[in-house]
Amino acid sequence: QKEVEQNSGPLSVPEGAIASLNCTYSDRGSQSFFWYRQYSGKSPELIMFIYSNGDKEDGRFTAQLNKASQYVSLLIRDSQPSDSATYLCAVNKGAGANSKLTFGKGITLSVRP
Amino acid sequence: DGGITQSPKYLFRKEGQNVTLSCEQNLNHDAMYWYRQDPGQGLRLIYYSQIVNDFQKGDIAEGYSVSREKKESFPLTVTSAQKNPTAFYLCASSSGVATDTQYFGPGTRLTVL
Repeated sequence: QKEVEQNSGPLSVPEGAIASLNCTYSDRGSQSFFWYRQYSGKSPELIMFIYSNGDKEDGRFTAQLNKASQYVSLLIRDSQPSDSATYLCAVNKGAGANSKLTFGKGITLSVRP
Repeated sequence: DGGITQSPKYLFRKEGQNVTLSCEQNLNHDAMYWYRQDPGQGLRLIYYSQIVNDFQKGDIAEGYSVSREKKESFPLTVTSAQKNPTAFYLCASSSGVATDTQYFGPGTRLTVL
């Protein structure tokens, strides 16, 4: 099992729809979870982080974490063409000096006008 | 402006040459990281450093070397021992706390001719 796994995609949704991006992880000791957005040819930019079970909302974005089932998801409401990008899930397994992120391969989202 | 800078943006290398990629941050972050990204792939960790004068190997350190003589700087050298160096290289930094976010520089695209 891969350490951090994302649906292979690509995912295509119409403008205004809800896009649901999923990520599973293998290490139950993982402590914090991140979603990054990466436009083609650019570097990743942070969308949200979450480290407690449940939902965390920020504008049109909602991150959901379920540690018992070892998954984290990102919902994008009212999707816009500008949301078209690759979304990377990252998991922090370590602490202190061993803190480092493990990334999934990403899922490409296309929002159709 | 606070942030992370990487230079150059594009770099071309002949086979057998060593090249050094620059990464500088003025965020006063303790931790710095180097990742490699290949087309359609997630980010893979090359080296990371939690404090000055100390660094650890990541998942794919072979053929790379780093130094951390100053808090602000974490240069990466791609040596001739790296067999397939063509990739997008990303530098990141964080304050070093276990659940803290990593922020990315704009990246350097290295091509071997």
